[in-house]
Parts: sequence; structure tokens; C-alpha cells
Amino acid sequence: DGGITQSPKYLFRKEGQNVTLSCEQNLNHDAMYWYRQDPGQGLRLIYYSQIVNDFQKGDIAEGYSVSREKKESFPLTVTSAQKNPTAFYLCASSMYGQGQQYFGPGTRLTVT
Amino acid sequence: DQQVKQNSPSLSVQEGRISILNCDYTNSMFDYFLWYKKYPAEGPTFLISISSIKDKNEDGRFTVFLNKSAKHLSLHIVPSQPGDSAVYFCAASAYGNKLVFGAGTILRVKS
Repeated sequence: DGGITQSPKYLFRKEGQNVTLSCEQNLNHDAMYWYRQDPGQGLRLIYYSQIVNDFQKGDIAEGYSVSREKKESFPLTVTSAQKNPTAFYLCASSMYGQGQQYFGPGTRLTVT
Repeated sequence: DQQVKQNSPSLSVQEGRISILNCDYTNSMFDYFLWYKKYPAEGPTFLISISSIKDKNEDGRFTVFLNKSAKHLSLHIVPSQPGDSAVYFCAASAYGNKLVFGAGTILRVKS
């Protein structure tokens, strides 16, 4: 039963705390991505990784960090430097060089 | 600089009629286009795609049309069903690279 899992579904944190969002895939995909969705703004790319131990900044990387130590895993850390962290975060994966991406169910992060 | 634009934030259609969702792009290097459907609090699911060598692709009730000269694509859903009510995102990529998404269009199908 292949797919992408994100945990937890809902996450609450106090302002000033770092928080790490989990993303795991068992599709044997090379590339993984993190997006953020805000109302009326579609999906904006935070970071992406095309191979293990390598990743690139997307359009809105400030205040975020990632790692890609394993092909299956691409955790995203939302740091205290991110000014507006409350959002819906989506992880996706794809075969390298192929346009279609498969998405996880998302994590709703609320920071107060 | 929005490379992919969905100019209609929302669309309301009667059940059984055709839904037409539109998308415009500015980057002539885009060679692959996709439509995703998204329900609230869920991840987007892939609907249909088209490569730039085609001008039409059909899958059941869903058809995507590509007009390269106008840099425009559209998604037709016929007949529309209440379960089609969701947010639809248009996306594009160049040479298999990262996707660029539009802002989405909310489709409401009234029964």
C-alpha cells in the first residue's frame, strides 16, 4: 500500500518554538517537496530535494529548514524565524524528471 | 511574478451541466501541464495532465485542452456532479522540473 504519510494531522505550538513536520514516502520516488497553502494563494514551494543529501530552496524558504538523509524521508522544520508559520503544509514526491507529483494528506500547523 | 494564473477564484455550475476551468501561463518553456483537485484539509489529488505536444487529453468526464499559441489551458468537466465541488489547481513544469501552481479555482456544483 504505497503512499505518502504526513504526521501529525494537526499541530499546535507556541510562538518562538521550532517544530518539525514529518513526511515519509514508500513510493521509491527520488524527489520530494514541501509546500505551504494559505487561503487564496495556492501552493507555494518551500524546499525540494531531488536526491538524498541534497536539497534546494523554493520560493519561500526563509524561516524553514529541511534534511534528506534517507530517500524515504524529508522532514521540514519550521523555525522561530518564520514570521507567519500558521498554515497548511503539504509534502509531495515524484520520480526524478517527471512532472506529476503525489501529495500527502497535509499537516495543519497553528502557532499562537 | 505569477507564471501560472487562474483568474477565476470561484465558479458555480448546475449539476449535469459543463464546468470549464481556465488557466493561463507566461513561461513558454513549460512543456507539461496538470490539473489537481483538492478537498479542504486534504492533499491535492492528480486529475489529468497534458504534454505540450498535444492539444487535448481526455479521461472520462474530464478533458484538458491546451492552446500553446495563447498560453492557455482549460479543464472541462461534463457532466458536473456535486462530488466535483472542490478547489482545482492548474500546474505546469518545464523539462520535468518543479511544478508551478496557480492560485486555484473553487468549483461549486449545485444539485
